[in-house]
Amino acid sequence: LAKTTQPISMDSYEGQEVNITCSHNNIATNDYITWYQQFPSQGPRFIIQGYKTKVTNEVASLFIPADRKSSTLSLPRVSLSDTAVYYCLVGHYFNKFYFGSGTKLNVKP
Amino acid sequence: DGGITQSPKYLFRKEGQNVTLSCEQNLNHDAMYWYRQDPGQGLRLIYYSQIVNDFQKGDIAEGYSVSREKKESFPLTVTSAQKNPTAFYLCASSISLLPRGAITYNEQFFGPGTRLTVL
Repeated sequence: LAKTTQPISMDSYEGQEVNITCSHNNIATNDYITWYQQFPSQGPRFIIQGYKTKVTNEVASLFIPADRKSSTLSLPRVSLSDTAVYYCLVGHYFNKFYFGSGTKLNVKP
Repeated sequence: DGGITQSPKYLFRKEGQNVTLSCEQNLNHDAMYWYRQDPGQGLRLIYYSQIVNDFQKGDIAEGYSVSREKKESFPLTVTSAQKNPTAFYLCASSISLLPRGAITYNEQFFGPGTRLTVL
C-alpha cells in the first residue's frame, strides 16, 4: 500500500499559482496518482489523475517526474473558493487508495 | 441527473442502538464503497462491493455491516459493537475497482455524507 506524504497546510493569495507536492517513495509500477479536493462537510471530488509526465485539464495540472516518487498538483490563479483540503492518492485499485490527512489550502483575499 | 445520494444528512443515535445509513446511486456503477472520516483526518475504508451480492471488508470493518442486494443501493449498518461511531460517513461509487478502464479513467464519485452522532 503506497502511502503518501504531503504538507499539512499551505497559505496562498487570490490570483497566485499554488503547487502542492506529494511524496510517494514506494509507488508501484502499476499505481496511478490521483488528486481529490474536499470542502468541509462534503464528499471529496476528483481533480486530476496521471501516471507519468504531465497531465493538464481545465482546473489543474499534474507534474510527475520520471522516477514517479513524487508528484506536484498545480492550481493556476487560485480564488477563495479553492480553499479546501487536497488529497494525493496512489494506487492501482480504488479499494487500496490511502486517504491521508491531505493538505489544507487556505486562500486569502 | 445522475449522482450518488446519502440519507439522512444528520443522524443521532443512542448508545446501544443499531442505525442504518442509506446510499443510492443511479450511475450504473458496479463498485460501491463506505468510508469513515473523523475530524481533521483522512478517509478510512469500511467496506466495499465490486458487484451485486458481493462485498469485502476494508480497513476498519469491525462494528459495521453492509448489504448489496441491488446494484444501486449499498446501505451501511452501524451496530452497537462499534465502540466510537460518531463520525462523518461517506459513500462512493465507481464503474469498477480499477481507476483506469480500457479507454478512459474511471472516477470515484462521492456522496454528500452522513454525520452520525452518538448521544
